[in-house]
Amino acid sequence: RKEVEQDPGPFNVPEGATVAFNCTYSNSASQSFFWYRQDCRKEPKLLMSVYSSGNEDGRFTAQLNRASQYISLLIRDSKLSDSATYLCVVIQYSSASKIIFGSGTRLSIRP
Amino acid sequence: GAVVSQHPSRVICKSGTSVKIECRSLDFQATTMFWYRQFPKQSLMLMATSNEGSKATYEQGVEKDKFLINHASLTLSTLTVTSAHPEDSSFYICSAQDKDYGYTFGSGTRLTVV
Repeated sequence: RKEVEQDPGPFNVPEGATVAFNCTYSNSASQSFFWYRQDCRKEPKLLMSVYSSGNEDGRFTAQLNRASQYISLLIRDSKLSDSATYLCVVIQYSSASKIIFGSGTRLSIRP
Repeated sequence: GAVVSQHPSRVICKSGTSVKIECRSLDFQATTMFWYRQFPKQSLMLMATSNEGSKATYEQGVEKDKFLINHASLTLSTLTVTSAHPEDSSFYICSAQDKDYGYTFGSGTRLTVV
């Protein structure tokens, strides 16, 4: 089983729709969680951190459920520019940091 | 915020030659930098963790003699792909950890070995 698993996608939704992705992690020692966005052939860029209390940034809402070991990303009123691959990232801290990337969920917004 | 500069952004080299990729933290000190490789339509895979002043820690399956990592200062880590082969063609990306900004990525290097 992969340490971090994401919805396989691709998601193809109309502009204005609400779309949600999930990401599960297997190691309960995981301590920090992030969503990154990656455009085609570009580097990943931090979209938002994920906290247990949930956090919102405009149309984006991220949630962490430690009991069920998953994080989610909700995009409301989707725009064409939201088309990208969304990567969930889990960081485990022990003697050294270990960063684990999900395989990414591809989102395509159609007009 | 924290900025990581990665060069070159794109390189084409002949099979058998070596290529050096640089990763610099511009406005912060990074005691730890990470090197990743991404093949088309796949996720980022951690290759190695680079610690300033010590040997890099390589992930399983990554040849340390082929992918040489040097982290000689708190702002610079380099990855050298030695004796490159076409199967080494990939997107290489570094990230650095800053205590205030978390993890920041370089812009990546697209390596094509012909």
